[in-house]
Amino acid sequence: LAKTTQPISMDSYEGQEVNITCSHNNIATNDYITWYQQFPSQGPRFIIQGYKTKVTNEVASLFIPADRKSSTLSLPRVSLSDTAVYYCLVGDRSSDKVIFGPGTSLSVIP
Amino acid sequence: DTAVSQTPKYLVTQMGNDKSIKCEQNLGHDTMYWYKQDSKKFLKIMFSYNNKELIINETVPNRFSPKSPDKAHLNLHINSLELGDSAVYFCASSQDRGGGYEQYFGPGTRLTVT
Repeated sequence: LAKTTQPISMDSYEGQEVNITCSHNNIATNDYITWYQQFPSQGPRFIIQGYKTKVTNEVASLFIPADRKSSTLSLPRVSLSDTAVYYCLVGDRSSDKVIFGPGTSLSVIP
Repeated sequence: DTAVSQTPKYLVTQMGNDKSIKCEQNLGHDTMYWYKQDSKKFLKIMFSYNNKELIINETVPNRFSPKSPDKAHLNLHINSLELGDSAVYFCASSQDRGGGYEQYFGPGTRLTVT
């Protein structure tokens, strides 16, 4: 069962690119990597999901190296509204285990 | 139109009371979850149902009892509330079972036990 580790917190200035890395050394062959964003007083919401290499959508990019033991969420040119907690989740589409990482609290500074 | 809704949003009660939290999803998903989020923001799964069948039952006191009357609803009943039960409880749903499916979360229920 893949356990994930993430930095507890990060600070960034507005307009910068932010990269948040999640380590998942025990990732299994069928596991996907999913990132969620949680604003204060709201439920987490899906940002992006990937299996290998690179995935990009309108919100973020997800980089996954060949060994898949880590992944990096990249947020381009962050704004104050990107201040949130970002969670990494590793899981497949058949087993019933769901374990979220500890989350990274991102603070964007003006 | 809210995809996953929970009621109530806030719940303040005294120790020893029994309370329920309701959850409904209109996404047509087969799987629903209950999570507990503590003050340190850790998200811990408590229960999961797939097509009304209990599939995840983590180490949770048996004072907590989930009930799924149909696959669109998952309620959480808590007996004999304790101070340590104070937390935010999130309901979520996904297309199918497994952490590899995108989960849709409700707005949360903040439970305060005094």
